[in-house]
Amino acid sequence: KAGVTQTPRYLIKTRGQQVTLSCSPISGHRSVSWYQQTPGQGLQFLFEYFSETQRNKGNFPGRFSGRQFSNSRSEMNVSTLELGDSALYLCASSLDAGVYGYTFGSGTRLTVV
Amino acid sequence: DAKTTQPPSMDCAEGRAANLPCNHSTISGNEYVYWYRQIHSQGPQYIIHGLKNNETNEMASLIITEDRKSSTLILPHATLRDTAVYYCIVRPMNSGGYQKVTFGTGTKLQVIP
Repeated sequence: KAGVTQTPRYLIKTRGQQVTLSCSPISGHRSVSWYQQTPGQGLQFLFEYFSETQRNKGNFPGRFSGRQFSNSRSEMNVSTLELGDSALYLCASSLDAGVYGYTFGSGTRLTVV
Repeated sequence: DAKTTQPPSMDCAEGRAANLPCNHSTISGNEYVYWYRQIHSQGPQYIIHGLKNNETNEMASLIITEDRKSSTLILPHATLRDTAVYYCIVRPMNSGGYQKVTFGTGTKLQVIP
């Protein structure tokens, strides 16, 4: 079966711009979570959605937001980009909020210049 | 989430068993131990999880001490493809909890030919 698909794979944006990243979970998975990975901070939890509702949120500023659609696809948006937002953004899906493990996508590499 | 402590790096000779330790001394009674690994530039991959009994699957074995304060992931015959960062995390196995998952910094395992 198809895995978790994240688009685009690579993105270059300018400071102050905004960006939208997309994640298509494994078919049947209703839970989608997002992570930011940087060399200095490691993997940091952003937020988790289940059935279009945000269930949990990490310690990120309000510039980071997300949503989930009725087909479980999810998007995350970062507004007013800063250089420090350059990172690998990972999406993970699961049947049941990760109880039996999350399946991760390959990520979107965002570079802010 | 309870915190975990892992050594930052380990080496293992190809074909030998790789034993990766994890300390989770503040683990709660309802928290499971999960292991993931991340190969360079890919999303993390779920390996195994357990509560208090030892677990084995096609990828690895998980040994949890009787007091549950530490665990060891065992890759029985390490190959070069097992070179990755290994993350140990703890979280409740409760789909209603939707706990945010904290990955920590993990152990970088280098398998040496």
